[in-house]
Amino acid sequence: SQKIEQNSEALNIQEGKTATLTCNYTNYSPAYLQWYRQDPGRGPVFLLLIRENEKEKRKERLKVTFDTTLKQSLFHITASQPADSATYLCALHSGAGSYQLTFGKGTKLSVIP
Amino acid sequence: DTAVSQTPKYLVTQMGNDKSIKCEQNLGHDTMYWYKQDSKKFLKIMFSYNNKELIINETVPNRFSPKSPDKAHLNLHINSLELGDSAVYFCASSAPETQYFGPGTRLLVL
Repeated sequence: SQKIEQNSEALNIQEGKTATLTCNYTNYSPAYLQWYRQDPGRGPVFLLLIRENEKEKRKERLKVTFDTTLKQSLFHITASQPADSATYLCALHSGAGSYQLTFGKGTKLSVIP
Repeated sequence: DTAVSQTPKYLVTQMGNDKSIKCEQNLGHDTMYWYKQDSKKFLKIMFSYNNKELIINETVPNRFSPKSPDKAHLNLHINSLELGDSAVYFCASSAPETQYFGPGTRLLVL
């Protein structure tokens, strides 16, 4: 069966360090993968998209890698700040029909001052 | 201007009641969704509509009925509410490759 796993439910990191979050999947051949941020009491907000033929994508302090051989994406936040504390969700596009996404359970990141 | 809005924000009701949640998007998107996020924060798709037509209907009890009066609106009606329906329900609309979520409706069934 298809599975998306975000390895850590929670991750604590010191301010200024690089946070690395992992998303692994099985039995998918996603056309692309996305990362979202969700703050408490709010809906997810889109951050980055990476396609199956791309290895890496960057946006400001964010970097995403995508390894279709390992079936894994890594999400990095460099020079992390307390304001980066949130839950981060990875989502796969199955390629079937519309723009349907399947989400992982998320990793709750806490950046400690 | 809010891109995707939902009403109500909170909904507390008794078991067995019928309730509706409304969603509106002003982004001009053709595709809209309902997701359920349970207490473990797992976000799962329930329904998807494209231009007022149902295109995804995951395994959801038929007590849940979506309705799209026009492509800017997707409402969710729930009959005979059960304790297990307590969750946060998110509406979303999508442009190519990006989904925009509403703020969520927190449903608590007592």
